[in-house]
Amino acid sequence: RKEVEQDPGPFNVPEGATVAFNCTYSNSASQSFFWYRQDCRKEPKLLMSVYSSGNEDGRFTAQLNRASQYISLLIRDSKLSDSATYLCVVKGRDMRFGAGTRLTVKP
Amino acid sequence: DAGVIQSPRHEVTEMGQEVTLRCKPISGHDYLFWYRQTMMRGLELLIYFNNNVPIDDSGMPEDRFSAKMPNASFSTLKIQPSEPRDSAVYFCASSFVTDYYGYTFGSGTRLTVV
Repeated sequence: RKEVEQDPGPFNVPEGATVAFNCTYSNSASQSFFWYRQDCRKEPKLLMSVYSSGNEDGRFTAQLNRASQYISLLIRDSKLSDSATYLCVVKGRDMRFGAGTRLTVKP
Repeated sequence: DAGVIQSPRHEVTEMGQEVTLRCKPISGHDYLFWYRQTMMRGLELLIYFNNNVPIDDSGMPEDRFSAKMPNASFSTLKIQPSEPRDSAVYFCASSFVTDYYGYTFGSGTRLTVV
């Protein structure tokens, strides 16, 4: 079983749609959680950290359920510029990345 | 802040040749990580250093791979001899504190072994 599992997608949505990504992790001792964004042929970049109480950054909302070992990312009012691969990241002693979920937002 | 700097950006080499990838972490960061990304396997952690000391190299695929960090501002990942299956994008990342902060990645080195 992979340490971090994500639905690979692809998700193809129209502009303005709301889209949700899910992620599960296997290491219950994991301490920190993140969502990264990776554009085609670019390096991963930190999108947001994920806190136990849930957190929001503009159109992006992240949730963590430690009991179920589950992380989610919600994107509201999606824009063309949101098209990218979204990586779920779990940190214990080091960071482990999910395979990523590809999102394409279409006009 | 110049960010994490990797060189070269692209490398094409013949099978059997030695390849050296270079990384300069962000000044003041005390953790440095080497990742490899392929379509099949995604992002894999190869090795990481804390204060220039290798902490975990369990992700290094085999003895052909070696990594060094002679000082706080420089690290190398070497493949000798290289094989076509080593073709991938190699990312270096650095971090100040490992527990609560994400990592900052360099732009990567795209390696092609023919």
